[in-house]
Amino acid sequence: GESVGLHLPTLSVQEGDNSIINCAYSNSASDYFIWYKQESGKGPQFIIDIRSNMDKRQGQRVTVLLNKTVKHLSLQIAATQPGDSAVYFCAENMRQGGKLIFGQGTELSVKP
Amino acid sequence: EPEVTQTPSHQVTQMGQEVILRCVPISNHLYFYWYRQILGQKVEFLVSFYNNEISEKSEIFDDQFSVERPDGSNFTLKIRSTKLEDSAMYFCASSESPSGAQYFGPGTRLLVL
Repeated sequence: GESVGLHLPTLSVQEGDNSIINCAYSNSASDYFIWYKQESGKGPQFIIDIRSNMDKRQGQRVTVLLNKTVKHLSLQIAATQPGDSAVYFCAENMRQGGKLIFGQGTELSVKP
Repeated sequence: EPEVTQTPSHQVTQMGQEVILRCVPISNHLYFYWYRQILGQKVEFLVSFYNNEISEKSEIFDDQFSVERPDGSNFTLKIRSTKLEDSAMYFCASSESPSGAQYFGPGTRLLVL
């Protein structure tokens, strides 16, 4: 079926610590995944993506890991800053027409 | 940096009225999408559009909804007869390809009274 979900609804971390946000997906045929950040009252902001032929991809302070064996996706944020506080969504790209299936979201709160 | 823009930012309407939400996608993108987000819930796919045709639509996108690319820059979502349950944030997105990154606009907050 179509299902992309997140393990934890909220995550609170200390400024400077690393954050890990997890996501499970159920469609083993999905081949593209995106992490979005959504601040209050704004649209989802693209952070990083990964295709199913990779298991790791790094950006600036962010890393996405993909484990196809257990259908698990994670977003790692290094040296978390107050500006990272937001809701983070993983999304699964259903190749047919580009439809994105979003998870419920994890709210990241960074304590100074 | 190119971005998707949407107007209006807020729209209040009476039940049964028609609304048109407007979007200007990123200029070199060819694939366009509408999503909605009911308060406190996840983002839901409504419709994808390419080459002046709907590529895919969800169950939410019933006969009351329509999309149009009236000119070379705008992409619109029309709701013919709004219902209370249409109240949500509506996001437009665009991408270079159907399997590429989708970039979202800031959204239109629609409130149906």
